[in-house]
Amino acid sequence: RKEVEQDPGPFNVPEGATVAFNCTYSNSASQSFFWYRQDCRKEPKLLMSVYSSGNEDGRFTAQLNRASQYISLLIRDSKLSDSATYLCVVSPSGGGADGLTFGKGTHLIIQP
Amino acid sequence: NAGVTQTPKFRVLKTGQSMTLLCAQDMNHEYMYWYRQDPGMGLRLIHYSVGEGTTAKGEVPDGYNVSRLNKREFSLRLESAAPSQTSVYFCASSYSAQGGYEQYFGPGTRLTVT
Repeated sequence: RKEVEQDPGPFNVPEGATVAFNCTYSNSASQSFFWYRQDCRKEPKLLMSVYSSGNEDGRFTAQLNRASQYISLLIRDSKLSDSATYLCVVSPSGGGADGLTFGKGTHLIIQP
Repeated sequence: NAGVTQTPKFRVLKTGQSMTLLCAQDMNHEYMYWYRQDPGMGLRLIHYSVGEGTTAKGEVPDGYNVSRLNKREFSLRLESAAPSQTSVYFCASSYSAQGGYEQYFGPGTRLTVT
């Protein structure tokens, strides 16, 4: 059974704080991992891919833990504009057009 | 560069009516997808296409038909709408289906079936 689990939140965080959330996946054969961002009543957009060695893009850091089957997203110095829903996305080995599994999302609210 | 466009943006149907949702992409992508997004359910794949003239079923295909009209356009048809099909429908496209590819989404169609 394909499954990606996320804490739905909401996470209420003051502006400037650091926030982190995790996502767990059940398919140990999964090979590709992503974080998408979705604003209210908008389409999802790729935030960043997640690599085995971990990767950073400005204030955002993504980590992969294959042993425990989870990925994480860390946001430093949070901005009001970071308020959104963050979707964890997993693709099994071999890709395949039907292979992407989306989590239900974690809702983040940055408060002034 | 428009990316992925969808029409219409909003629609209200009565039970039993039919409609076609249209999606077009201008990025020369081979792969196109139709998803539905419901509160508390996340994005679920309805049908997808790996190239012109090909379509395949996704996770929740019942009640929907699709057609890959050409490389750019992918349509989703509801022959006899039901209230359970009330949802937000997103079209997406990607260059490849192999690991590491990005899916680009259209702005969505908000459909209500009464």
